[in-house]
Order: sequence, then C-alpha cells, then structure tokens
Amino acid sequence: DTAVSQTPKYLVTQMGNDKSIKCEQNLGHDTMYWYKQDSKKFLKIMFSYNNKELIINETVPNRFSPKSPDKAHLNLHINSLELGDSAVYFCASSQAGTGQNTEAFFGQGTRLTVV
Amino acid sequence: GENVEQHPSTLSVQEGDSAVIKCTYSDSASNYFPWYKQELGKRPQLIIDIRSNVGEKKDQRIAVTLNKTAKHFSLHITETQPEDSAVYFCAASKVYSGYALNFGKGTSLLVTP
Repeated sequence: DTAVSQTPKYLVTQMGNDKSIKCEQNLGHDTMYWYKQDSKKFLKIMFSYNNKELIINETVPNRFSPKSPDKAHLNLHINSLELGDSAVYFCASSQAGTGQNTEAFFGQGTRLTVV
Repeated sequence: GENVEQHPSTLSVQEGDSAVIKCTYSDSASNYFPWYKQELGKRPQLIIDIRSNVGEKKDQRIAVTLNKTAKHFSLHITETQPEDSAVYFCAASKVYSGYALNFGKGTSLLVTP
C-alpha cells in the first residue's frame, strides 16, 4: 500500500494554463505539506496544513493554492503557470499535531514542465 | 525564517571510509532535525532524526550529533558502501510551523568501490 500518493507523476503544460496536482495519504496523519524541488535539487517548503491551520511560506506566489477536501487529501492548484514553475513537487504528511512522531513521509513527486 | 546551511555540497569517499556531513541552523526554536536520503529520481526518505533534547543518536552505521548551543548538527556514516551513494539533506523544523521541514541544499555523496 502506498502511504502518500500523488497524481499525476508527470505533467507537461503550456504557460498561462491552470493545473492541479492531487495528493492522498492513508497514514491517518493530521498534517500535510507541499514541497518544491527545483532543477538544482533544492527542496523548499511551500505549505503546511492541518485541519486547523494553513501555514504559507511567504515566498510562494498567490497563484499557488492548496485545497483540502478532507484530512487525507491536500491538492495543489496552480493558476497562470509560468516557466519558472517547472520543478518536481512533493506532497508529504506527518503526525505533527501530537509532536511525538513527526517523521514526514513523501509522495513519489510530480514533475511539472511548463513550456 | 529558518536558514539551514549544509556542507559539503559534494563528497566522494572510498568504500569502507567514513563520511561526515555538517549543517547549521539559525532559529533557536527549531527542535526537530531529520536527515533524508534521496536517490536519483526517487522521493526523499528519512534515514535518521534527532530532537533537541538529545545530543547523539545512532542507528547501525549512521549516527547524528546535535550541538544546540552552537546550532549545528552532523551526519556520520561509517563503513560506507556503494549503495550509500545519493543526495543527503539535513532539515530543521519546529512545532510552530507544523514541523514543516526547512532543508539544507543537499550533499551529493559518491562512494566508489
């Protein structure tokens, strides 16, 4: 069973389009995250979200928005895609709320290419 | 915000040697420090972590040390094997950010037979 799964694995789209990446976790975790890994392999937090609070990294453009239909899902919507948005996007989850076991589990990543 | 510095950016060792990767962090509120291994084209996976109330932790060939006063922590891999070759990321996080991980820029480790 895949603990954190995201779809699609690859996404190629044109500049200006709007796209979504879906993420689901079956670990019963209370907190989910989106990370961006750029071409230099730098990993950067974009959002963290639990059912109470959304914490946004201040460097993330407001074209990016997380949407959580329920505790097990955190989707990423991106409007007006730009060339610089090309990257690998990782979803992750952890049981951060208890503070006891905060190991983050990552999805397999979505490689987004904007042309 | 939190700033995590990681060195070196690349590291090449011979099989059987030890490898050490060092990180520093800036936010004294950070209290959780995991290390992730990422193989080419794969997701990051946790290899070891340490909390701020512990100075050292070991798991077989891997150990992590933490100096809270100096705000630095290190990963030590002994008896390296070719399958240890990967990119290693350190990270720092705290409860106030939902334990979101602030990563270092990664160390590309190559273990040659």
